Amino acid sequence: AQSVTQLDSHVSVSEGTPVLLRCNYSSSYSPSLFWYVQHPNKGLQLLLKYTSAATLVKGINGFEAEFKKSETSFHLTKPSAHMSDAAEYFCVVSDLVSSASKIIFGSGTRLSIRP
Amino acid sequence: GAVVSQHPSWVICKSGTSVKIECRSLDFQATTMFWYRQFPKQSLMLMATSNEGSKATYEQGVEKDKFLINHASLTLSTLTVTSAHPEDSSFYICSAISRGGLTDTQYFGPGTRLTVL
Repeated sequence: AQSVTQLDSHVSVSEGTPVLLRCNYSSSYSPSLFWYVQHPNKGLQLLLKYTSAATLVKGINGFEAEFKKSETSFHLTKPSAHMSDAAEYFCVVSDLVSSASKIIFGSGTRLSIRP
Repeated sequence: GAVVSQHPSWVICKSGTSVKIECRSLDFQATTMFWYRQFPKQSLMLMATSNEGSKATYEQGVEKDKFLINHASLTLSTLTVTSAHPEDSSFYICSAISRGGLTDTQYFGPGTRLTVL
């Protein structure tokens, strides 16, 4: 069985400071992990994905995430927040074993950026 | 990256009518498409998985007779909300997986906002 937990429903940081959005997962198999961003009234955009290659994954817009199997975590980070980063972020887990590829969304974290 | 479109982007209908939403993969063949529902300020809830040429697999609690899904080709899946009621008002999002891909990266459509009066 798979699950994903986003530990913070809302994160607020000042512009120019680091961003940390936390995600923990559980999976019976080797999981694929994703971070998506959703801006207001917009579709979901893939930020980055982990698929059993390098544990540190670099994505778009300066975001990166590190897969830590021992901690079952896949936290999203960015060194310096920008106003345009304000959005909803979703951590997603799916497995590679099943052809049906069950996909589970986290509950989302709303990121606010203070000027 | 791969592009998925949805049509219409928003629709308002009267209670009791049916509404069809289209999801198209524009530059790749999608063996599998997914339909999600998103309530305001909430996460996405998977409704059903649609494989080309076969019946959709619905998640628990989703009424298959109410939410009809057809995936007749590798580039098109449709969701029909039958006899819509105000509680069906929501944001419906589709996604597609590229055929033959080694990973299961989903590409999402922009969503369709349904309002039932």
